[in-house]
Amino acid sequence: DGGITQSPKYLFRKEGQNVTLSCEQNLNHDAMYWYRQDPGQGLRLIYYSQIVNDFQKGDIAEGYSVSREKKESFPLTVTSAQKNPTAFYLCASSRTTAGNEQFFGPGTRLTVL
Amino acid sequence: AQKVTQAQTEISVVEKEDVTLDCVYETRDTTYYLFWYKQPPSGELVFLIRRNSFDEQNEISGRYSWNFQKSTSSFNFTITASQVVDSAVYFCALWNSGYSTLTFGKGTMLLVSP
Repeated sequence: DGGITQSPKYLFRKEGQNVTLSCEQNLNHDAMYWYRQDPGQGLRLIYYSQIVNDFQKGDIAEGYSVSREKKESFPLTVTSAQKNPTAFYLCASSRTTAGNEQFFGPGTRLTVL
Repeated sequence: AQKVTQAQTEISVVEKEDVTLDCVYETRDTTYYLFWYKQPPSGELVFLIRRNSFDEQNEISGRYSWNFQKSTSSFNFTITASQVVDSAVYFCALWNSGYSTLTFGKGTMLLVSP
């Protein structure tokens, strides 16, 4: 089945550690996105990529990094510089960034202990 | 600048009631798209509808209907005869040609009780 997978579903890390969240899609989409969602909040864009080997900062990129070496993969690293990383992280993809609907993965809930 | 406002933070209804979720948007573009997504308790956002700015026809899909009015910059979503399975957070979103990504509203939590 076509879709987006994110792993792991739950992730715990100690303060000061970097952690990488996985996102894979087999929809053959060019564009991919990472969002952060906090309780009672909407979605805030962290990074997005319109095509392989290219990515752009979103509204809250500080403390995060990404790579896009393959079309189907867009991993997100939460670095120790991110002051408040505990949140729900959602990955999405779309055919292009030009007004197409985005399809979302199941999300990863990150908790910093 | 673009903005999406979902003024209703939380709505509670009893099963079989009709409910309307409001969405008001701001954009200077004449070409834009509007979206609705559903986020059930599992967390994954589910795409419901996309509407472009040149098509003001209302849309009906089963118990769901959408009312797009450019005159009031609104794209409201109505669920007819609500069911417990409709309980979720619903997000409205906007894309216009000046941006590469969607702008989401803060969402409306709908609680449908039996």
